[in-house]
Amino acid sequence: EDQVTQSPEALRLQEGESSSLNCSYTVSGLRGLFWYRQDPGKGPEFLFTLYSAGEEKEKERLKATLTKKESFLHITAPKPEDSATYLCAASLLSGGSYIPTFGRGTSLIVHP
Amino acid sequence: DSGVTQTPKHLITATGQRVTLRCSPRSGDLSVYWYQQSLDQGLQFLIQYYNGEERAKGNILERFSAQQFPDLHSELNLSSLELGDSALYFCASAKGSGILEQYFGPGTRLTVT
Repeated sequence: EDQVTQSPEALRLQEGESSSLNCSYTVSGLRGLFWYRQDPGKGPEFLFTLYSAGEEKEKERLKATLTKKESFLHITAPKPEDSATYLCAASLLSGGSYIPTFGRGTSLIVHP
Repeated sequence: DSGVTQTPKHLITATGQRVTLRCSPRSGDLSVYWYQQSLDQGLQFLIQYYNGEERAKGNILERFSAQQFPDLHSELNLSSLELGDSALYFCASAKGSGILEQYFGPGTRLTVT
């Protein structure tokens, strides 16, 4: 069954303590892997698109990478303002249409 | 600011009632996606419209329906509301179809009492 799974569910870091979030997917025919950031009570904010294994994208302290089975969101020297829920998503083929499917997210808290 | 607008921001209504949520996409975007987000279910795709036509359907209940108008704004209609329909409802827009580089609105928080 096609699905998108994120781990860990929650992560607490000290300011400056680098770490990685994982998004594993079982999708036949990936049409892109997407990362979003969501602050409490707000709509998700688009961060990155990755299309092929080996691809990397960077934005400030965030770097997203993609392999054939999973994607990582690396956070280098995080700051308290990086605290948010990070969602990954993929398009899954269902009933002849591509359905956007989001993981449950990783809730990141960065302590000063 | 993503450029996507949603109204109203908050909605409180009783079980059995019907409500309409409205979404205006970013300028130039032809696709509108509707999502439901609750604590126990995460972000669930409901339905997508592209340039006025339904393009993809997710786990949308029969009590829910949507449409996209010629000016590309979209409405999500929720009827015979139940307590379990209480959630955040987001719309997102994108330039094309089948694209997950989407821009989300601020959401409508629906509370059914």
